[in-house]
Amino acid sequence: ELKVEQNPLFLSMQEGKNYTIYCNYSTTSDRLYWYRQDPGKSLESLFVLLSNGAVKQEGRLMASLDTKARLSTLHITAAVHDLSATYFCAGERGNYQLIWGAGTKLIIKP
Amino acid sequence: NAGVMQNPRHLVRRRGQEARLRCSPMKGHSHVYWYRQLPEEGLKFMVYLQKENIIDESGMPKERFSAEFPKEGPSILRIQQVVRGDSAAYFCATQGQGGTEAFFGQGTRLTVV
Repeated sequence: ELKVEQNPLFLSMQEGKNYTIYCNYSTTSDRLYWYRQDPGKSLESLFVLLSNGAVKQEGRLMASLDTKARLSTLHITAAVHDLSATYFCAGERGNYQLIWGAGTKLIIKP
Repeated sequence: NAGVMQNPRHLVRRRGQEARLRCSPMKGHSHVYWYRQLPEEGLKFMVYLQKENIIDESGMPKERFSAEFPKEGPSILRIQQVVRGDSAAYFCATQGQGGTEAFFGQGTRLTVV
């Protein structure tokens, strides 16, 4: 059974710093997804990672996938306040069902 | 192409009433997921449906909750005899055939008074 674990669950950091959110999953996952949720809002798709070694970047966010280690990372470079949100990763098991991590609440202080 | 549409956005029900939450998928999407989210918590999977079929309902309480995704029309999440503990945000997400990223609706915030 696919299980997805994120860490940390809560992260407070200063603007301008770099940090990484980790997403571990327990069994084979065909794809790995990253989503962002602002307070009181819906979830927005950030990245879809399809294969081992995949790396995608959008602005200050970069996501990577290591299928052998069953690990995906979301790296934040030179954080800015606008990136404050909760970030979720999700793996995919048979029948295309998405299995979600608990989310990482990111607070970026000026 | 309109996104995933959920309605109502906010729903207030008294204890014991029924709540009906609707989710209209994006055009061409035939997979629907329903999730519940309590404040400051993650998403709790409830049910996964494809057109006219329930694929996985392992996250849905066995009593009072039901879901459907008919051949025509939106997916419906129905909660009978609501209790205060049902108060939460309910999100649906839809996917196309063959597995693609899921797109979320804006959610329905249910308040039971």
